[in-house]
Amino acid sequence: QSVVTQPPSASGTPGQRVTISCSGSSSNIGNNYVAWYQQLPGTAPKLLIYRNNERPSGVPDRFSGSKSGTSASLAIGGLRSEDEADYYCATWDDSLSGWLFGGGTRLTVL
Amino acid sequence: VQLVESGGDLVQPGGSLRLSCRASGFIFSSYWMNWVRQAPGKGLEWVAQIKRDGSEKYYVDSVKGRFTISRDNAKNSLYLQMDSLRVEDTAVYYCGRDVPPDYWGQGTLVAVSS
Repeated sequence: QSVVTQPPSASGTPGQRVTISCSGSSSNIGNNYVAWYQQLPGTAPKLLIYRNNERPSGVPDRFSGSKSGTSASLAIGGLRSEDEADYYCATWDDSLSGWLFGGGTRLTVL
Repeated sequence: VQLVESGGDLVQPGGSLRLSCRASGFIFSSYWMNWVRQAPGKGLEWVAQIKRDGSEKYYVDSVKGRFTISRDNAKNSLYLQMDSLRVEDTAVYYCGRDVPPDYWGQGTLVAVSS
């Protein structure tokens, strides 16, 4: 079964740069675009990155995405307390003919 | 852009429920639409996707044969018919616009319990 894997947790101090990884396979990340979402407690997810590294209007350039092979990463620069949230990667899987979300990474700002 | 889900409720295992998502602020018929769910305290799980004209539909394996996604472009509405509900279907169900979803509704809670 296809799986997209994220670390369950990450942390950083204000002003730091943190990176969250997302690991998949040739049937998903390796052959499709990756999107990233931020979910604050009790709210709906918000799209941060699409097509691996594109930001929707209104998303600060502190957020950036990259992809290499079957892995992708979300980088958050100049960490702020309001960045404390759950982050999810998402990608299409050709074998499943469906979308896969990573398990999510809880970011803590120390 | 606004997406408003409705129809969530408490239902017994084996029961049925129909969720609705009313869209406004954009040309509904121009976008693929999705349902994504989130079980209490868990991560996001994509459930189903439907093409602009309804001609293509995709489902996560766990709901195939039980859930049906549909849309009415004249009413700017997306639906999810949920049959043979199981305890593990308990979740907040979100509708999302486009692929990948760029706008999401606030979600509607489906609780399956006896």
